[in-house]
Amino acid sequence: SQTIHQWPATLVQPVGSPLSLECTVEGTSNPNLYWYRQAAGRGLQLLFYSVGIGQISSEVPQNLSASRPQDRQFILSSKKLLLSDSGFYLCAWRVQRDTEAFFGQGTRLTVV
Amino acid sequence: SQQGEEDPQALSIQEGENATMNCSYKTSINNLQWYRQNSGRGLVHLILIRSNEREKHSGRLRVTLDTSKKSSSLLITASRAADTASYFCATDSGAGSYQLTFGKGTKLSVIP
Repeated sequence: SQTIHQWPATLVQPVGSPLSLECTVEGTSNPNLYWYRQAAGRGLQLLFYSVGIGQISSEVPQNLSASRPQDRQFILSSKKLLLSDSGFYLCAWRVQRDTEAFFGQGTRLTVV
Repeated sequence: SQQGEEDPQALSIQEGENATMNCSYKTSINNLQWYRQNSGRGLVHLILIRSNEREKHSGRLRVTLDTSKKSSSLLITASRAADTASYFCATDSGAGSYQLTFGKGTKLSVIP
């Protein structure tokens, strides 16, 4: 069966420090991968999605970047964190568009 | 940008009552999905309804879709305390897009 792993679960980072959040999917190949951010008590903002290795689509220009170095690995990065980067980051995958998505458990990032 | 808009933002009901949440969207869609999120956790897929369907059932869940009004509703019958969560609608737009766009959610509280 397919599973998605997202880590770490919580992270506290100082302003100006780098960030790397990792998401991996098991049990499937060539998934569509997504990074979302959720502010406290708010909806999900789509940050990036990828339909294949090295293919990244950015939805919101900001202080973050994403990479897909392997088929089932999706990484969210920042060179220098801002206070406004705080939030709940969620990774998700699905087989193809127009199907259900499966989410990781999320990473709570607090920038101090 | 957010496509879906849920209504109400928050809903509090007694156990055993029915809960109805609504979702409106702006552009044409291929399908509309509903997800549930327990506090501080990832989202879980509940149901997907395609643009050519008008109603779908899954257990105590009933979803309707009115493409002429660009709206959908989620009905949870005979609610339980365990149904307490936030509920989100999400849409797959047409035109070959891979984006899965979420609304801001309805926070449901079921009082025992």
